[in-house]
Amino acid sequence: RKEVEQDPGPFNVPEGATVAFNCTYSNSASQSFFWYRQDCRKEPKLLMSVYSSGNEDGRFTAQLNRASQYISLLIRDSKLSDSATYLCVVSRMDSSYKLIFGSGTRLLVRP
Amino acid sequence: NAGVTQTPKFQVLKTGQSMTLQCAQDMNHEYMSWYRQDPGMGLRLIHYSVGAGITDQGEVPNGYNVSRSTTEDFPLRLLSAAPSQTSVYFCASRRGGRVGETQYFGPGTRLLVL
Repeated sequence: RKEVEQDPGPFNVPEGATVAFNCTYSNSASQSFFWYRQDCRKEPKLLMSVYSSGNEDGRFTAQLNRASQYISLLIRDSKLSDSATYLCVVSRMDSSYKLIFGSGTRLLVRP
Repeated sequence: NAGVTQTPKFQVLKTGQSMTLQCAQDMNHEYMSWYRQDPGMGLRLIHYSVGAGITDQGEVPNGYNVSRSTTEDFPLRLLSAAPSQTSVYFCASRRGGRVGETQYFGPGTRLLVL
């Protein structure tokens, strides 16, 4: 079983739609959580960190449920430019603070 | 700042050849790492370094060597290339090993081993 699991998608939604992705992690000692965005054939870039109380950045809302060990990302009012792969990332609680990446959820926003 | 740079962008190797993937960062980051990304697998950590002179293995280190003689550079060496090493390789850096630090990635090297 992968340590971080995501639905690969693709999620195909019209412009203006609201879309949500979930991610589950298996290591209960995971300490930090992130969403990264990766455009086709490009490097991953940090979209947002995920805090225990939930956090929002414009049209993006991230939430963490430690009891159920899942993380979510909600995108409101989808834009064409949101089309990308969204990577769920957790960090282990050890001295190296390695980042563990999910394999990503692909989002396609159509006109 | 150039951020994290990688060379080459593309490379084709024959089985058994060796090569070095270069990675450099100009942000004075202590923590650097190498990942490979394969379809459906996500990014997997190959090797990482928490500072000059210090390296350690990630989850898929076999067939790769690294060294960290300076803060800026973290080259990845393929000792004897195999078709299973066909992948996209990303180098990344962050300021330290602390929780929550942003990790920055280079543009990647696409490697094909025939």
